[in-house]
Amino acid sequence: DTEVTQTPKHLVMGMTNKKSLKCEQHMGHRAMYWYKQKAKKPPELMFVYSYEKLSINESVPSRFSPECPNSSLLNLHLHALQPEDSALYLCASSQVRGDTEAFFGQGTRLTVV
Amino acid sequence: LAKTTQPISMDSYEGQEVNITCSHNNIATNDYITWYQQFPSQGPRFIIQGYKTKVTNEVASLFIPADRKSSTLSLPRVSLSDTAVYYCLVGDMVSNFGNEKLTFGTGTRLTIIP
Repeated sequence: DTEVTQTPKHLVMGMTNKKSLKCEQHMGHRAMYWYKQKAKKPPELMFVYSYEKLSINESVPSRFSPECPNSSLLNLHLHALQPEDSALYLCASSQVRGDTEAFFGQGTRLTVV
Repeated sequence: LAKTTQPISMDSYEGQEVNITCSHNNIATNDYITWYQQFPSQGPRFIIQGYKTKVTNEVASLFIPADRKSSTLSLPRVSLSDTAVYYCLVGDMVSNFGNEKLTFGTGTRLTIIP
């Protein structure tokens, strides 16, 4: 199984809502990543988890809150988002942090209204 | 962290071989070169990785000259389904600190014309 599964695929939320994005992998990878991608731009790193601990936070606003409950799961909790936060949110995993062969999920298309 | 430079876009006809070059002038001794492919509204997909000379797999070839300051991704006999954005990344595989952020550059938007 070389899949990274993200749910939901699409999400529309209001600026006062609280929602969560979920990511799951069963490849035994110990590094997991959240990226944000705007249209026609490269993916931008948000967070890196290594062995279930937050390793890198790329100065992401606190309205995005990551969580890694176990080695297979990664969540991104969303609260009080702005319309400019609308984007494709991608989850990825790799064997260890720094391994450049990473596996990406299909992403969650988020629209903030 | 070595910075990469790629052409913003390229067009090619079906059936041709396509070569996309990436420049990485300040590549470090321990850095590997990795290429990803991304289709619209999908996550990037790992294509190929190499350190020097030539690497080939079922999808592509990667050519790296002796000075390693550039690399070329070669896609043989492209089809319409190869239309995508291709990203070149450079990072340290040995110490795991060189590209621990897995940072993407601007990428090359490849369009295949029927």
